Amino acid sequence: AQKITQTQPGMFVQEKEAVTLDCTYDTSDQSYGLFWYKQPSSGEMIFLIYQGSYDEQNATEGRYSLNFQKARKSANLVISASQLGDSAMYFCAMREGWVGGYQKVTFGTGTKLQVIP
Amino acid sequence: ETGVTQSPTHLIKTRGQQVTLRCSSQSGHNTVSWYQQALGQGPQFIFQYYREEENGRGNFPPRFSGLQFPNYSSELNVNALELDDSALYLCASSFRDRGRGNTIYFGEGSWLTVV
Repeated sequence: AQKITQTQPGMFVQEKEAVTLDCTYDTSDQSYGLFWYKQPSSGEMIFLIYQGSYDEQNATEGRYSLNFQKARKSANLVISASQLGDSAMYFCAMREGWVGGYQKVTFGTGTKLQVIP
Repeated sequence: ETGVTQSPTHLIKTRGQQVTLRCSSQSGHNTVSWYQQALGQGPQFIFQYYREEENGRGNFPPRFSGLQFPNYSSELNVNALELDDSALYLCASSFRDRGRGNTIYFGEGSWLTVV
């Protein structure tokens, strides 16, 4: 079974509108972390937002917010007021536990977002 | 600026050769991980180092090896290169602390092409 599932290979959004990128995850751990990263064509993986499994509030970072629904195991990224510079690949990722100090992070397959002027 | 730098940014190697990729981690971050990202895919975990010892490995053969140095810089070595090793190699660093260090920072990556 996939640990991280991103079902939207590509998305289009009009400039200044909001967009939601979907992510579901699968883990049996009680303690885990969820990340979203942006990857422009240059290749750098840019950290956007983090949600811990015990965090009760949804994480927000500027125009980015994470809609965390623990029971449904979903961690959708919401980008408000899209900008042309938001066009990139977006990856959802999960860090599971700390057993043996091992901090493996599993990534989804990504969603390519294109912002239309 | 993530504080994680990688070199070289691009390189081309011939099948069967060996390659060394380098990473300089963010100050204070004592855990470094390496990922392979093939074109059109998400990054795949190769291995992780903590205090100069490998403490986790993904599904990669032994010809992928690494080192972490006391100054938290790191190397990824790949021997006997194959065409399928062509990918973007990403280094990531973080602080190993149960209560903090929730963020994992990546470098800009090294693009490896094997011909």
